[in-house]
This record gives sequence, structure tokens and C-alpha cells, in this order.
Amino acid sequence: EAQVTQNPRYLITVTGKKLTVTCSQNMNHEYMSWYRQDPGLGLRQIYYSMNVEVTDKGDVPEGYKVSRKEKRNFPLILESPSPNQTSLYFCASSSPWESNQPQHFGDGTRLSIL
Amino acid sequence: QKEVEQDPGPLSVPEGAIVSLNCTYSNSAFQYFMWYRQYSRKGPELLMYTYSSGNKEDGRFTAQVDKSSKYISLFIRDSQPSDSATYLCAMSAVQAGTALIFGKGTTLSVSS
Repeated sequence: EAQVTQNPRYLITVTGKKLTVTCSQNMNHEYMSWYRQDPGLGLRQIYYSMNVEVTDKGDVPEGYKVSRKEKRNFPLILESPSPNQTSLYFCASSSPWESNQPQHFGDGTRLSIL
Repeated sequence: QKEVEQDPGPLSVPEGAIVSLNCTYSNSAFQYFMWYRQYSRKGPELLMYTYSSGNKEDGRFTAQVDKSSKYISLFIRDSQPSDSATYLCAMSAVQAGTALIFGKGTTLSVSS
């Protein structure tokens, strides 16, 4: 089954404790992206990756890092989380160059930073 | 003016009603238009995808794009309680799978 898998689905942690949210896709997609979704603000892009070793900032990159060492994985790293990063996070992937198809989304990770 | 405007609702309709969801946009370069459906505690799921202007129909769902008015619509016929969700419009000027600009979503509730 084609899917984007995020882990963990839920996490409560404390300010300053480094965390990583993993994202993996099994569709051989080149493009991967991270979003955060907040009430009243909608989906905002954090970082994206056009392919392996190619990443770029989205609209709200401050406080986040990403890496793309393998095509299937695109982890989101919060090195020193703060309460304003409490949010619902989504990973998405697509294959725009081959088939110009829209993005597929994971089921989300709800982060609470205390 | 925001790039994509979408009325957040909530919109409540009885089962069987025809639902109309809309987005307006300001960037005339947008040419890829999508509608995503998001159930509570789930990720957005692609519902309809349209390139450029025109209509597209898939079962009970019809997507319309009017580029001259910078206006897109999603119609749901014979709405069902299972259609209760948040509907997000999304657009791109470059490719359908990149550089998406999302509306904030409209929450729909269909009562039986």
C-alpha cells in the first residue's frame, strides 16, 4: 500500500529536549515536505526537499532542521523545542517531475512542548 | 490580500443537500488546483485535482476552476454524514506536487 508514515503520532516533551519526527514514504517520490497546521493559520510549509541531499526552507523554517540522506526518508529535527512549536505536523511526498501528481500526506504527528 | 482565501465555516447541512465550497485567489500564475479532505486526526487526502480551467467530475464530487475570476469551487451532491470533514483547497503555479499554497480549510458537517 502506498503511504507516507510518520512517527511518533503523538509526543509530549519539555522545552529544550531535542526530538526527531521521522517520515518515510514507499512510493519512490523525489519531493518531500514538512508542514505544520495550526488553528486559524492553516497548513504552512516548514522545509521541503526536491531530492536526496537537496533541501530548502519553506515559509516557517525557524527552529527546525531536516536532512535527506535517502530518498524514502525525510526526518524533521527540533534541536531545542519551544512551546510555540506545539502543533500538528504533516509530512508529504510527491513525484511532480515524473507524473506531476499532487502531494500525498501522512497522518500527522501531534507535538506538545511544555 | 492573502494569496488564497477560503471561508472557514463551519458549514452545516442536512443529509442529501448539495454543498458548495469555494476559494478565491490572487496569483494569476496558479494553474494547478486541488481539493483535499481532512478527517479529524488524519492527514489531508487528495479529493480532486484539476489543471488549468474547466470542470472535473468524480462521482458525487465536481471541481470547477474559473481562472478569469480567480475562483475555484467544489460541489458535493447528495451529501452524506461521511462527508463531514474539513476541506482544503490548494494551488500551485509550478507543478501539482510542489510549492502548494493552501486555503485555511472549510469545516463541513452533514447531519443525518
